Amino acid sequence: KAGVTQTPRYLIKTRGQQVTLSCSPISGHRSVSWYQQTPGQGLQFLFEYFSETQRNKGNFPGRFSGRQFSNSRSEMNVSTLELGDSALYLCASSLDGFRNEQFFGPGTRLTVL
Amino acid sequence: QQQVKQSPQSLIVQKGGISIINCAYENTAFDYFPWYQQFPGKGPALLIAIRPDVSEKKEGRFTISFNKSAKQFSLHIMDSQPGDSATYFCAAGSGNTPLVFGKGTRLSVIA
Repeated sequence: KAGVTQTPRYLIKTRGQQVTLSCSPISGHRSVSWYQQTPGQGLQFLFEYFSETQRNKGNFPGRFSGRQFSNSRSEMNVSTLELGDSALYLCASSLDGFRNEQFFGPGTRLTVL
Repeated sequence: QQQVKQSPQSLIVQKGGISIINCAYENTAFDYFPWYQQFPGKGPALLIAIRPDVSEKKEGRFTISFNKSAKQFSLHIMDSQPGDSATYFCAAGSGNTPLVFGKGTRLSVIA
C-alpha cells in the first residue's frame, strides 16, 4: 500500500505571496489532518478534513485554509505569507479520525523569504 | 489544560543503555497516549501507544509506563542502538479530537 504523499517537498516563497500544498492520503483513508512543525513550537494542529468537511480546526489565523476532495486528497492554502510561516507542513491520514493510527507524509518544507 | 509537557529536550545515551523520555499532561479527559518517532527528512511514525486501562505496554525494546494518578507517562528504550537516534514525540488525545503533541526529544545514541 502506498503511503501518504505530499507535493511539493520543498518550496521557497516571498512575503505576501500565497502557496498551495497537496496531500494524497493512503487509499481508503477518509480523514486527513494538517500540522505545522517548527523547532520552537513542535507539531501544531492546523485542521482535519473528513468526507470533504472540515471537522476540527486548530488555533491558526484565517490565512490558513484547506479543502478535501471527493477522492480524499487534500490541499492546504496559506495566503499573504509571513516570515513566521516558514516550517515543515505535515499531512497525516487515518481511516476515520484520531482514534485510529495516523500515518504521516514526509512533509513540505516551506521557506518564506 | 491542553498542554503536554515533554522532557528532556535532548538526550545522549550510550549504545546498550536505557533511554527514558517523560511526558506530563493536565487534561484528565485524555484517554489515548501515543509515541511517535521521527527521522530527519521523514514524517513522524507511530511507535507505540497506550490507553489508561493499563499501566504498562511493551513492544520489543520499547515500553510505555503510564501513571494515571500523576498524569504522567514515559517511554523507555532498552538496549538503545544508534539506529534509534531520532526525535521522539509524545501525544495525548480523547474521543475524536486532535492529538496534542509534546515538543519532542532529540535522542542520540552513541557507540
